[in-house]
Amino acid sequence: KQEVTQIPAALSVPEGENLVLNCSFTDSAIYNLQWFRQDPGKGLTSLLLIQSSQREQTSGRLNASLDKSSGRSTLYIAASQPGDSATYLCAVPNSGTYKYIFGTGTRLKVLA
Amino acid sequence: DVKVTQSSRYLVKRTGEKVFLECVQDMDHENMFWYRQDPGLGLRLIYFSYDVKMKEKGDIPEGYSVSREKKERFSLILESASTNQTSMYLCASSRLAGSYNEQFFGPGTRLTVL
Repeated sequence: KQEVTQIPAALSVPEGENLVLNCSFTDSAIYNLQWFRQDPGKGLTSLLLIQSSQREQTSGRLNASLDKSSGRSTLYIAASQPGDSATYLCAVPNSGTYKYIFGTGTRLKVLA
Repeated sequence: DVKVTQSSRYLVKRTGEKVFLECVQDMDHENMFWYRQDPGLGLRLIYFSYDVKMKEKGDIPEGYSVSREKKERFSLILESASTNQTSMYLCASSRLAGSYNEQFFGPGTRLTVL
């Protein structure tokens, strides 16, 4: 059974720092891995989708990497800003089904 | 720009009422999903649909039903609302399984049952 873990659960950093969020999964037979951002009281916004054949994907200050063999993905945020404060979740499709398995998220606070 | 919309951002209902939550996507996606999100419990799948009139139970279907009469619209129905159904409800859509099945979410409906 696929399980997805995100560490740390919460993170507080000063503005301008580069930071790394971690996502681990137990079953490496995944089609892709998706990173989301969620602001309080809002829906999830898709940030990046990494396909199983890719090692990394970039969008602006965000870079996500995928290492299927070790069951890990990282989301790198460069030069963090207070506007980056949100909860970040990762999700993988559950093998053989249409379902997605979500991590519990990392709550990020960037201090001005 | 891809879009998933939900009929209400906030909804307040009374115990025993029948509640309809509507979700519409404009991306011609085959899959549509209903989740609820509660503090400490994360996202939990209620129902999903992979085609018109097709549905499958998720992890917590009790007390809910769904309807998908058109490809773009997926409705969640609370037959008789109860206070333990107070939650944030999130709708999502995606293509069929594969490397490109990016999931897109709506803005959410905060439902309060009194």
